[in-house]
Amino acid sequence: QVQLQESGPGLLKPSQTLSLTCSVSGGSISSGAYYWSWIRQHPGKGLEWIAYIHSSGSTYYNPSVKSRVTISMDTSNDQFSLKLASVTAADTAVYYCVRERLPDWYFDVWGRGTLVTVSS
Amino acid sequence: EVVMTQSPATLSVSPGESATLSCRASHPVNSNLVWYQQRPGQAPRLLIYGASSRATDIPARFSGSGSGTEFTLTISSLQSEDFAVYYCQQSNNWPRTFGQGTKVEIK
Repeated sequence: QVQLQESGPGLLKPSQTLSLTCSVSGGSISSGAYYWSWIRQHPGKGLEWIAYIHSSGSTYYNPSVKSRVTISMDTSNDQFSLKLASVTAADTAVYYCVRERLPDWYFDVWGRGTLVTVSS
Repeated sequence: EVVMTQSPATLSVSPGESATLSCRASHPVNSNLVWYQQRPGQAPRLLIYGASSRATDIPARFSGSGSGTEFTLTISSLQSEDFAVYYCQQSNNWPRTFGQGTKVEIK
C-alpha cells in the first residue's frame, strides 16, 4: 500500500523560501501511471492545488503561485519536493502531498499533511 | 480556471436520514468530477470519481450523479462517521479546482 509522508520546517519568516519533501513508500515514483502533486489548505478553509510533476519530467503550476513555485523529483529516493519562494502570512496552510491516478484523474493517496506557519 | 461552487455551505441532518449535496462548475467538465470526505484533523479521502464511480471500500450509501456543470452527492441513511466536510473537485482542466466544501453536521 502506497503511503506519502511530508517533511519540512513548520515555521518560516516572511520572505523566506518554503521547502517541503514528500517521501513515497510502498511504490515507485517512477511509475508513469501517476501525477505527484502538492495541495494546500489554509486554516479552516478549502483546498488549493499547487503543482504536479510526472515521472516524464513534465510539470504544471497553478497560475496563482506559478512565479514563486518549483516542483522537482528524486526518483532514486522516491521523493518529490516543493519550493515556494518569498512566503507571506497568506502561505500559512497545511500542505499535502498527493498522488493523482491516471487516466482516471483523481487524487487517491494523500499524505497526512504538514502545517507550515509564516510569521515574523 | 473552472470555479466550483458547492451548496449548501452547511447541511444539518439527523442520523439515519439522507443528505443531498450539490456542486456546480462554471464551465462544463464532462464527467470529470470527484468527491472527497474530510474529517477533522484528517486528510481528504476519495469517495467518488468520474462523477458516479465509488472508490475502493466506500459504502454503497454514497452515490454520485451528474455531468457537464451540475453534480450531486447523495448519502443515504447517514451514519455517525459520515458527519464531515465534503469537497467536489474538477479533474477536466488545469489547474485542478475544488469547491469550498459542504459541512454535514448532526441535527
